[in-house]
Amino acid sequence: QSVLTQPPSVSAAPGQKVTISCSGSSSTIGNNYVSWYQQLPGTAPKLLIYENNKRPSGIPDRFSGSKSGTSATLGITGLQTGDEADYYCGTWDSSLSAWVFGGGTKLTVL
Amino acid sequence: QVQLQESGPGLVKPSETLSLTCAVSGYSISSGYYWGWIRQPPGKGLEWIGSISQSGSTYYSSSLKSRVTISVDTSKNQFSLKLNSVTAADTAVYHCARQTAGATGTTRKYYFDYWGQGTLVTVSS
Repeated sequence: QSVLTQPPSVSAAPGQKVTISCSGSSSTIGNNYVSWYQQLPGTAPKLLIYENNKRPSGIPDRFSGSKSGTSATLGITGLQTGDEADYYCGTWDSSLSAWVFGGGTKLTVL
Repeated sequence: QVQLQESGPGLVKPSETLSLTCAVSGYSISSGYYWGWIRQPPGKGLEWIGSISQSGSTYYSSSLKSRVTISVDTSKNQFSLKLNSVTAADTAVYHCARQTAGATGTTRKYYFDYWGQGTLVTVSS
């Protein structure tokens, strides 16, 4: 059972928009910044969003992040088949003094 | 460009110690940041194991703390993971990663910006 809760899977058609939620608590998302990671099949995770809504260099603006209270959301617009991957949220848990990941969400582009 | 590369045995016997090293290039560990280990059992999600600063300060997952040691060797620009008393449940792909350590007051701005490709470690006799 992950400290951060994500839906196991989401799906949408090419060109559409999808959102992935990440629910935490006051000791996690409520008081720390959230980051998101994309893991394409057979590859290492890649940083997609950091500090709630910032994109590293090279990440297209189709990817966006937001945070409200103890929840965070990853948004992907203009879906492409190449976006099919597992997506993970992560943050610091101030109560545990530990990093925590969400359980991951598998995105299928139909 | 920062690059991380894991190395170590791909097969470890039950009850023995898993030892991995992460070699860092393109950035000097002694310049800052934290350096972490994350694992992923086959078909499952990511699990943070622990992180270490360039000065040797460590944070460990509470579930693994009793079995884990992470150390840093700034002269070789690498850091290492030791996990003792392994069982089949420790079979996973082990990744090393660079972790930012910014903060504003008590709000942590941590994230992992560079990752190694990962190495599969199988625990089996």
